[in-house]
Amino acid sequence: DAGVIQSPRHEVTEMGQEVTLRCKPISGHNSLFWYRQTMMRGLELLIYFNNNVPIDDSGMPEDRFSAKMPNASFSTLKIQPSEPRDSAVYFCASSLPDRSDTEAFFGQGTRLTVV
Amino acid sequence: GENVEQHPSTLSVQEGDSAVIKCTYSDSASNYFPWYKQELGKGPQLIIDIRSNVGEKKDQRIAVTLNKTAKHFSLHITETQPEDSAVYFCAAASYNTDKLIFGTGTRLQVFP
Repeated sequence: DAGVIQSPRHEVTEMGQEVTLRCKPISGHNSLFWYRQTMMRGLELLIYFNNNVPIDDSGMPEDRFSAKMPNASFSTLKIQPSEPRDSAVYFCASSLPDRSDTEAFFGQGTRLTVV
Repeated sequence: GENVEQHPSTLSVQEGDSAVIKCTYSDSASNYFPWYKQELGKGPQLIIDIRSNVGEKKDQRIAVTLNKTAKHFSLHITETQPEDSAVYFCAAASYNTDKLIFGTGTRLQVFP
């Protein structure tokens, strides 16, 4: 398996534009997580899905952020409209939790810059 | 919800010395404590984990300890090497929910 695949790797956009980040989890994994990483706040959990259903979105900063998981092999994180303070590295991770192993595998991240 | 605190934020050691990173957590229901290493430009990768039914686990130069009573857990790296230089994150999760809550990270620098 190629691991968790995120696209794009880098995104530069103007304030007010819509941004869509994409993630393909590891095949067979049934949990998917979106994290945001900044110098000030570290790794923040934004939302996570289990079996394609959003379980906890309490970390989503505001209504400008939305996430979907239409099927087991694809998820998107959308920011509309984007603002400069959204600039960060966004990571997607997936796992197959059971009582013996809850390892989360991370993608390479998308570095978002909003100017 | 769970809150994980991590110290120190930066750590510099000489090659061959030991490095210790400490974390505390708030939710007594947490029972899974992984440590991740993040190299520049990459996503975090699991290096070792510990569950609440053990107090210590070792894998070559890396060891983790857990004190459930005090809600503390630590990462110990012995005989550090320059390639150990990276950002290390602790995390906590419980069987009730598989979401990982991360600490704020420790930037470790190992000087030759």
